[in-house]
Parts: sequence; C-alpha cells; structure tokens
Amino acid sequence: EAQVTQNPRYLITVTGKKLTVTCSQNMNHEYMSWYRQDPGLGLRQIYYSMNVEVTDKGDVPEGYKVSRKEKRNFPLILESPSPNQTSLYFCASSPMAGLAGVLNTGELFFGEGSRLTVL
Amino acid sequence: AQSVTQLDSQVPVFEEAPVELRCNYSSSVSVYLFWYVQYPNQGLQLLLKYLSGSTLVKGINGFEAEFNKSQTSFHLRKPSVHISDTAEYFCAAMNTGFQKLVFGTGTRLLVSP
Repeated sequence: EAQVTQNPRYLITVTGKKLTVTCSQNMNHEYMSWYRQDPGLGLRQIYYSMNVEVTDKGDVPEGYKVSRKEKRNFPLILESPSPNQTSLYFCASSPMAGLAGVLNTGELFFGEGSRLTVL
Repeated sequence: AQSVTQLDSQVPVFEEAPVELRCNYSSSVSVYLFWYVQYPNQGLQLLLKYLSGSTLVKGINGFEAEFNKSQTSFHLRKPSVHISDTAEYFCAAMNTGFQKLVFGTGTRLLVSP
C-alpha cells in the first residue's frame, strides 16, 4: 500500500530534550516536505526537499533541522524543543516532473500526523 | 507573494442541505488549485484539483469546485451533505513552475442531523 509513515504519532517531551520525528514514503517520490498545523493558522511549511541531499527552508524553519540521506526518508529534528513548537506535524511527499524540477501536479500525499507537546 | 484566503473558519449545516466553502487566492500568474480534506485524527487527502481546462472540477464524495479567474476564487460545493462530511477543508494554490503549495487556514464543516 502506498503510504507516508510518521513516527511517533504522539509525543510529550520537555524543553531542551532533542527529538526526531521520522518520515518514510514508499512511493519513490522525489519531493518531501514537513508542515506544522496550528489552530487558525492552517498548514505552514517548515522544510522541504526536492531530492536526496537537497533541502531548503520553508516559511517557519527556525528551531528545526532536516536531512535527506535517502530518497524514502526525511526526518525532522528538533535539537532543543521549546513550548512554541507544540503542534501537529505532517510529512508529505509528491512526485516531481521534468527537467525543470517542478511538482508533477502539486498533489501531496500526507502522513497521518505527529502530535507533539513540549512542556 | 501568493496567498490563499478561506474567510469562513467554521460552517455549520444540517444533513442533506447544500453547502459552499469559499476560497480566494491572490496570484498574478497561472495557478494550480486544490481542495484537501482532513477527517478527525487523520492526515490530509486530496478532494479535487484544478490544473487547466474545464473550470468545473468534480472530486470525490460528491464535491465539486468552480475556478473563477476573474474573481480569483475556487469555491467548493456539495448539493447535499452527510454527517460523514464533517471534517476540516483546506484550499491550496501553487504557481505553475514553482515547488511551493500554499494553504489557506482551513474551514471546519460541521454537519448535524
């Protein structure tokens, strides 16, 4: 089954304790992205990656790191979590198309979300 | 910068009534437009998309949307809603030739008996 898998789905942690949220997709998609969802703010992009070893900042990258060592995996790293990073996080993937490297049709495939609480 | 506006944060409606969820976008270039649905405790899934061609787009679960370039709108409609349509709906836009999908703030559809 084609899917995007995130772990953990729920996590409560304390300020400053490093954590990693994993994301894996089995659709051979080039493009992967992380979003955070907050009430009244919709989805905001944190980081994205257009292919292996290629990552770039989204709209709200502060306090986050990512890596793309393999095509299927795109972990989100919070080196020193703070309470303002309490949020619902989504990983998404999409196929790219053509030499211009544009999103094929813009359709994103989402994971089920990871709810993070930082105390 | 491109932006997507969903004016209604919440839309209550009775079962079997029609519904329209509004979406406006700002862009000076060609765009692709999308509606995603998020059921409780789930990720987002694509409801429908407009890339080009016919301005009336049909999606899953009986939903449809109409692209109106002059009004820069992409409103979502369903003639008769079900309880199971209760969810949050996100409009999104992407400038053709770019890598970024911009989301609106979402509209929560609440269907009651």
